Amino acid sequence: DGGITQSPKYLFRKEGQNVTLSCEQNLNHDAMYWYRQDPGQGLRLIYYSQIVNDFQKGDIAEGYSVSREKKESFPLTVTSAQKNPTAFYLCASRDPGSPQGTQYFGPGTRLTVL
Amino acid sequence: RKEVEQDPGPFNVPEGATVAFNCTYSNSASQSFFWYRQDCRKEPKLLMSVYSSGNEDGRFTAQLNRASQYISLLIRDSKLSDSATYLCVVKGQNTGKLIFGQGTTLQVKP
Repeated sequence: DGGITQSPKYLFRKEGQNVTLSCEQNLNHDAMYWYRQDPGQGLRLIYYSQIVNDFQKGDIAEGYSVSREKKESFPLTVTSAQKNPTAFYLCASRDPGSPQGTQYFGPGTRLTVL
Repeated sequence: RKEVEQDPGPFNVPEGATVAFNCTYSNSASQSFFWYRQDCRKEPKLLMSVYSSGNEDGRFTAQLNRASQYISLLIRDSKLSDSATYLCVVKGQNTGKLIFGQGTTLQVKP
């Protein structure tokens, strides 16, 4: 069953703690993305990776870090430096067979800082 | 000015109605255009890509006007199950970065 999985679905964190959100895909897609969504707002790009061992900052990278050691995996770490980490985090991958560059999303992780 | 702007709504319509959403984008170099659907507390799912000549998928019709830099989505014969937030999405050059509008909420009432 091909797709994108994210875990955990819900995550609670105390202030000052780092947490890592998992994103895995078995679609054989090269490009992967992390977005953040706040209530009533559009998605904003945090980091993206177009190929293994390479990644670039998106529009709101401060307080976040990523790695891309394997094609299938693109974990996101929310560090204590992120001032407002409570949000819905969405991972996506881009279909290389789509001329338009269509992206498909995982089910998301809801992070709440207590 | 936001790169992609949508009226957040909500649009409240009765079943069977026709409803249209518009979206404007600021970067004339934008290459690809999409409508995604997002249900409450779920991930966005691709509804349809938008082509220059306009395209239709069942009850849904998308149009692109490059000269005026706007995209539209028309839903005919609305169903209760169409209730969701519709995200207008524009792809920039080269990086594959998608720029999202804040979404337009549709509520279809019995």
